[in-house]
This record gives sequence, structure tokens and C-alpha cells, in this order.
Amino acid sequence: QQQVKQSPQSLIVQKGGISIINCAYENTAFDYFPWYQQFPGKGPALLIAIRPDVSEKKEGRFTISFNKSAKQFSLHIMDSQPGDSATYFCAAGLNAGNMLTFGGGTRLMVKP
Amino acid sequence: DSGVTQTPKHLITATGQRVTLRCSPRSGDLSVYWYQQSLDQGLQFLIQYYNGEERAKGNILERFSAQQFPDLHSELNLSSLELGDSALYFCASSVAPRDTEAFFGQGTRLTVV
Repeated sequence: QQQVKQSPQSLIVQKGGISIINCAYENTAFDYFPWYQQFPGKGPALLIAIRPDVSEKKEGRFTISFNKSAKQFSLHIMDSQPGDSATYFCAAGLNAGNMLTFGGGTRLMVKP
Repeated sequence: DSGVTQTPKHLITATGQRVTLRCSPRSGDLSVYWYQQSLDQGLQFLIQYYNGEERAKGNILERFSAQQFPDLHSELNLSSLELGDSALYFCASSVAPRDTEAFFGQGTRLTVV
């Protein structure tokens, strides 16, 4: 009931391409969906987050698409750059809180 | 730099031992969270404190305990350590328990040998 499933586990994209990472959740009580970016040796850093009352949120090259009925949300990275190479985690929270259930992570590599 | 400070960065200890991990939240943040990141379990929420009081518990073992002190720093105590406790332990903090961004520290890498 608390699981968040993330795919793919790894992703290789050419510079300038679009990176797409998908997540699915089971608990319909989740009401906060953040994406975190983690570089080696660092802690996760919040990239972008969405609440279930909107279907899309865009911040610069990063867009979250949210499908409440399908219980799915995705991260799109437009014009992917080598500096975007990192591990990305989706997460879900209850009561807009930060007690987060994380997906398994996606290791993104952007080739120059 | 997130502003969350965790010490030590690395810790190597033997099975059966007890260790204490320390976290100083960002200035002004009242809420502290502990997460464990391991290869097999991924990132898992352990426990949350808000202004000195335990607020929520996640997948935290009975051998583990935590507290938040009046100056708002927090400590995670791990006892009777097992090989499987080897992991990265992250602390995060936020101004409030909800509707505010959580900032993660750089973590403490614990190796149990």
C-alpha cells in the first residue's frame, strides 16, 4: 500500500535529448509528489514537486506530469545536459509532509 | 550546501557495537527526519521529530532510537549493530512538518564489519 515503483532503473540519453522517468503509486492518500536529484557523495536535493490538484508543473527544463486516475507521475528533463547525470528519485508523501516513500531511483547518464 | 550538517561522514565499527550519528538542522528548521539508504532497501524513512518531540515513525528497528535536543540538533543511536545495518544514513530538516521543502544533509556512511 505504501510502495512507489520507479522506472527505468537506468537511462542513457544523448545531450539535448529528453529524459523521461516514470513512477506509480498505490496509496491514493498520497498528496505530495516530489522529485529528488542525487549526485555521488551527496544527499538528495529537491528538484521539483507537485500536488495532486494539478496535472503538470514546469520549472525550467524540468516538468512533472501527474495522472491522478492512473496513479502515475513522471519527470521530463528537456534538453538534457551532461551535468544532469545523476540519480533521480521520485517520492510520495502524506498530508503534504516530508515523511516520504521513495521510489527505487533512476541512474541517468547524459552523453555529450 | 544544504545547510544540514551531519557528523561523522564515515564510521566503521564492529558487529554488536553501538554508534551515535549527529545532525544539525538548517538554521530555523524545527523538523528533523532520518532516512536510511541501502542498496537493497533504497531510501527509507526512519523517524521524524518536530521541535523536540517525536512526530512519526517509519521502518525503524527497535535497536535504533533517536532524539531531538532543545537546541534542535538530533542524534540517531544504533545499537547491537549487524552487518545489514551498513548503509548511508541521511538527516533532513524542514521549517515545518508539512508544506515546506525538506533539505538533506550529505549523510553518514556506516560500515559494520
